[in-house]
Amino acid sequence: DQQVKQNSPSLSVQEGRISILNCDYTNSMFDYFLWYKKYPAEGPTFLISISSIKDKNEDGRFTVFLNKSAKHLSLHIVPSQPGDSAVYFCALQGGKLIFGQGTELSVKP
Amino acid sequence: ETGVTQSPTHLIKTRGQQVTLRCSSQSGHNTVSWYQQALGQGPQFIFQYYREEENGRGNFPPRFSGLQFPNYSSELNVNALELDDSALYLCASSLGSDSRGGYTFGSGTRLTVV
Repeated sequence: DQQVKQNSPSLSVQEGRISILNCDYTNSMFDYFLWYKKYPAEGPTFLISISSIKDKNEDGRFTVFLNKSAKHLSLHIVPSQPGDSAVYFCALQGGKLIFGQGTELSVKP
Repeated sequence: ETGVTQSPTHLIKTRGQQVTLRCSSQSGHNTVSWYQQALGQGPQFIFQYYREEENGRGNFPPRFSGLQFPNYSSELNVNALELDDSALYLCASSLGSDSRGGYTFGSGTRLTVV
């Protein structure tokens, strides 16, 4: 039973363009949502989060959108840079983290 | 401020053996969580330790066990290893058991069971 789904295993974007990563969840009881970024041979690092009382949170080039009625979370990166190339995980938090399968983002120069 | 350190970084074991993985938590953190990340999947929660007590467990069999020590470092033990236990094992430390975005992950231990 997959509570968090990232349906795109990979995404390729040109440098300078927008990257949009998507995430769907099934359990409405969670009230805090996060995005983590993972480089090879490193652990996941926290990127940005959003509480269920908000529908948008912005931090520099990164913006997370939350659509509670659709149970959908998205991460926008603009402009995308080659250093953003990594695997991105969305996660729900409720005492533990429940991760999606990840989307591998590749930003081409 | 030191981060989360895991050892060893890589390990090869034979099916049926036992393994112990270690994690040193970030300075000031009192909670450690362990995750298993299989190839192509997201990390899956194994269990969490808060002040030396197990504080939540995921859908893993009892042959997965752990410890947390007074200095908040932790061990993950897996008995009777199976081929499907091959994965990246991640340790995350935090201040408190439900820290909003405050989990710091180690680089993981890559376990291969042959």
